[in-house]
Amino acid sequence: NAGVTQTPKFRILKIGQSMTLQCAQDMNHNYMYWYRQDPGMGLKLIYYSVGAGITDKGEVPNGYNVSRSTTEDFPLRLELAAPSQTSVYFCASSGTGYEQYFGPGTRLTVT
Amino acid sequence: QQQVKQSPQSLIVQKGGISIINCAYENTAFDFPWYQQFPGKGPALLIAIRPDVSEKKEGRFTISFNKSAKQFSLHIMDSQPGDSATYFCAASQGTDKLIFGTGTRLQVFP
Repeated sequence: NAGVTQTPKFRILKIGQSMTLQCAQDMNHNYMYWYRQDPGMGLKLIYYSVGAGITDKGEVPNGYNVSRSTTEDFPLRLELAAPSQTSVYFCASSGTGYEQYFGPGTRLTVT
Repeated sequence: QQQVKQSPQSLIVQKGGISIINCAYENTAFDFPWYQQFPGKGPALLIAIRPDVSEKKEGRFTISFNKSAKQFSLHIMDSQPGDSATYFCAASQGTDKLIFGTGTRLQVFP
């Protein structure tokens, strides 16, 4: 049981490049989330999903896109990378209630 | 829109001392969890409280909840160097979202 996995662990992008951050969970959770974590700013919700085929915007969705074709996978797409997207990205999942299980994170630098 | 304010931003405590982290919320929520994050790792649930309970204790960790003041706090008794981490309070808006505070970096020195 791997829990929540994220790839890659680290990535450096040039301004304007695109990439997809991968997230997968093996706990059969309906709810999945993407957060970004910036120093002193806590965790900000980018997008979330309540089940396959259903996604919704969080607090800071601009510049990102998501899809949820299966229960297990919830990839996050950055289309035109900007320096403001330099951050640590966390994917999480939950079955019910307030307990979310987080992945190990992806550290992204945009230069 | 729910907001959760957390203080202090950082905290230094001697081993064996009490660490106290405070949070304030704006709107009613279902639950108020605390998450613990070690460097290089994702956050993990530490302890949580419902708004109809004034205090919850698990080992050395206690949440105090003041509904009238819209405040809740985490107390870590007998703080240990292994408790050094970043702590986030949160408010649960139901099964779909958590609103997190800005985090407190705790350092416990021997």
